[in-house]
Amino acid sequence: SQQGEEDPQALSIQEGENATMNCSYKTSINNLQWYRQNSGRGLVHLILIRSNEREKHSGRLRVTLDTSKKSSSLLITASRAADTASYFCATSGYGNKLVFGAGTILRVKS
Amino acid sequence: DAGVIQSPRHEVTEMGQEVTLRCKPISGHNSLFWYRQTMMRGLELLIYFNNNVPIDDSGMPEDRFSAKMPNASFSTLKIQPSEPRDSAVYFCASIASGSRDTQYFGPGTRLTVL
Repeated sequence: SQQGEEDPQALSIQEGENATMNCSYKTSINNLQWYRQNSGRGLVHLILIRSNEREKHSGRLRVTLDTSKKSSSLLITASRAADTASYFCATSGYGNKLVFGAGTILRVKS
Repeated sequence: DAGVIQSPRHEVTEMGQEVTLRCKPISGHNSLFWYRQTMMRGLELLIYFNNNVPIDDSGMPEDRFSAKMPNASFSTLKIQPSEPRDSAVYFCASIASGSRDTQYFGPGTRLTVL
């Protein structure tokens, strides 16, 4: 069964707005990662946050992690039409196996 | 670097036929993962290898599925016999051995079983 569960399942916003996606998980983790998948393509790694980190930035991306609540959020600021994609969180425990959530479909309208 | 290479990109076959999907990981990566993605079940890990050895195949749905990694630069996922419910996109990903960091995904093989 999938560990990560994203919320919302789908999100539609206007270009320039911020998009926030949330992820919850069930067990202890080593790190949590976010991936993007454009239609018909493979997944592309966006950002990784380790279990001892609380916040991380990469360009227009901001990720937070709350291990006490077993949750993470991905914020995309000043969204662009090119950000339209599905976004997945994935958790890594012991070993190098990743467990992916169901994903959030983001649509950015221009 | 060419990235993870998968072939074929699309496969259409009839129920009962054998299907073989191929993957070439990134050079120097020692771990390889096979995933299946469907609308109903999302992205599922089928099996992964470390240094060509299968480590966890608990995600392989049934005996009709088998995977091999004869060397560090090649892996196959075979379905025999195929069934319509096997229709999905199959992804291969690789990672440096022992790393829990970024997985690099191939473009996927879209399998349709009629």
